[in-house]
Amino acid sequence: AQTVTQSQPEMSVQEAETVTLSCTYDTSESDYYLFWYKQPPSRQMILVIRQEAYKQQNATENRFSVNFQKAAKSFSLKISDSQLGDAAMYFCAYRPHGTYKYIFGTGTRLKVLA
Amino acid sequence: DTAVSQTPKYLVTQMGNDKSIKCEQNLGHDTMYWYKQDSKKFLKIMFSYNNKELIINETVPNRFSPKSPDKAHLNLHINSLELGDSAVYFCASSQGRTRGENSPLHFGNGTRLTVT
Repeated sequence: AQTVTQSQPEMSVQEAETVTLSCTYDTSESDYYLFWYKQPPSRQMILVIRQEAYKQQNATENRFSVNFQKAAKSFSLKISDSQLGDAAMYFCAYRPHGTYKYIFGTGTRLKVLA
Repeated sequence: DTAVSQTPKYLVTQMGNDKSIKCEQNLGHDTMYWYKQDSKKFLKIMFSYNNKELIINETVPNRFSPKSPDKAHLNLHINSLELGDSAVYFCASSQGRTRGENSPLHFGNGTRLTVT
């Protein structure tokens, strides 16, 4: 079964510091898509960043970047210059190519300390 | 401007009642979803429709019945509500497989269902 694992239920980071959230997935597929979503207390689900498995270059969106290691099936999210507004649940998601199904990890709660 | 809208935002009801949640998207997407988020924040897919056709039907009690009158709308009807149905239900949409394989899910703001 395809699964997504986020091994850190909770993380803390000091404001302006950098934090990395981990995500690993289990798949036998070679082509797929990966996403990170943020869910603040407002409960909105907000797309943070996405990565295609066929691209070797790591995706970057402003202060957010990923470290995609295909062989290790790892897709970690790095948040630089952390801000108070980054405090939220973060979910990693995986979608195999040619399917409609998005599979989510269990989430990591990020706390940002002033 | 709202891309995926679902109503109501909050739903409080008693056990045994029947309730519906409505969802509409104006993104032109061809695939819509229902996800359930439990008290531990775990997101589990329930159903998905592509162009009004049911394509994903996870292990969900048959008290839950989705309906898609057209590709912009996906409703969820729940019969004989139970305490364990209390959760946040998210509607979402995506481009599906025909356009943009890397299309992310676009979520509605969720409906918090509380069954007492």
